[in-house]
Amino acid sequence: EAGVAQSPRYKIIEKRQSVAFWCNPISGHATLYWYQQILGQGPKLLIQFQNNGVVDDSQLPKDRFSAERLKGVDSTLKIQPAKLEDSAVYLCASSPGTGYSGELFFGEGSRLTVL
Amino acid sequence: QQQVKQSPQSLIVQKGGIPIINCAYENTAFDYFPWYQQFPGKGPALLIAIRPDVSEKKEGRFTISFNKSAKQFSLHIMDSQPGDSATYFCAARERNTDKLIFGTGTRLQVFP
Repeated sequence: EAGVAQSPRYKIIEKRQSVAFWCNPISGHATLYWYQQILGQGPKLLIQFQNNGVVDDSQLPKDRFSAERLKGVDSTLKIQPAKLEDSAVYLCASSPGTGYSGELFFGEGSRLTVL
Repeated sequence: QQQVKQSPQSLIVQKGGIPIINCAYENTAFDYFPWYQQFPGKGPALLIAIRPDVSEKKEGRFTISFNKSAKQFSLHIMDSQPGDSATYFCAARERNTDKLIFGTGTRLQVFP
């Protein structure tokens, strides 16, 4: 079974530029998550989708971050304009859905460096 | 945001030692408490998990102890090996939303 795919793995941009990350969850998984992991910290939930609807985006800085999950499958996370403090690894995760045992399956992440 | 507090931040043990990582939470709406293991350059992967109606769960060399009244849970690694060197995160899931909140992580180093 293929895991969660993310791209690009690495991205370096200058502040005020824009960047987009893509995630393809495990086939059939209804719930998709984007987490931000700053070096030395635990992952912080940015947004959670159930199919193509948003369940929780309370921690998403909506003035610069946006995310969509078209057709309830893959998802894109965009940052525009980027700030220095956005340097982090952006992790995508998926799970079969609410009521499931609770395991999240993570991709390897997209590491963003903002100069 | 609801918090999960994790300690210590880092841990160094020798092979065969028993590292213990502790977590505490405040929200009684949590219904599932997993531990994730993360190697450098990789995403976190589920190691072991427990529900609040159980006080202990063991899988191989990994054991979770859960104290519901104290709102604390801990991970014990028996007979630790150099291959266990990784960062460990405790987490807690909010009932009904599947929102998973992570602790700050513990970097474990096991020396031969």
